[in-house]
Amino acid sequence: EVQLVESGGGLVQPGGSLRLSCAASRFTFSSTWMSWVRQAPGRGLEWVADIMQDGSEKYYVDSVRGRFTISRDNAKNSLYLQMNSLRAEDTAVYFCARGTSGYSNGWYDYWGQGALVTVSS
Amino acid sequence: DIQMTQSPSSLSASVGDRVTITCRASQNINSYLNWYQQKPGKAPNLLIYAASNLQSGVPSRFSGRGSGTDFTLTISSLQPEDFATYYCQQSYSTPRTFGQGTKVEIK
Repeated sequence: EVQLVESGGGLVQPGGSLRLSCAASRFTFSSTWMSWVRQAPGRGLEWVADIMQDGSEKYYVDSVRGRFTISRDNAKNSLYLQMNSLRAEDTAVYFCARGTSGYSNGWYDYWGQGALVTVSS
Repeated sequence: DIQMTQSPSSLSASVGDRVTITCRASQNINSYLNWYQQKPGKAPNLLIYAASNLQSGVPSRFSGRGSGTDFTLTISSLQPEDFATYYCQQSYSTPRTFGQGTKVEIK
């Protein structure tokens, strides 16, 4: 079965940086658009960023644009989220999710287990 | 951005009950509406895609309806494993916004 495994979460001070990774397996990673979705403690789901199959197009929620960068390495079957200038409100569990169907109107059929990012001094 | 509003925010029900959750979009999203189930400490799980299509492996007691701005998720006979939080999500446009969630609790 499809596997998505996040890593790289942890405690970071406000203004700091962190890089999340998502290792994908058991599917053709290079053929799939991918996303990051986050969930603050006790809150709902929030879409963060999308990346197309070849990495040529990327999209971000307004609150992270300019601070976060989504990327991928298809040779390593890996998705990344570089998070800079972190704020307390970025504290959340970050999920990587596999997009399916066409990008324009697709949905997420597999999710990773999540990585907790805590931004605090 | 398209706003997604779910109702109710929470509900209490008994095993065997029929449960319906509503999701309303702030503008027409055709049938680009998906439903996810999330249990505490776990990742979301896709139930329904494109408003009414049951994801493979999901029990047939789950069903989805709607188009345009109004959508429903129905559980025909609530089972113990269905107590969870349910989210709708629109995939009509970016940002792919989620509803705030509906928590289904045991009565």
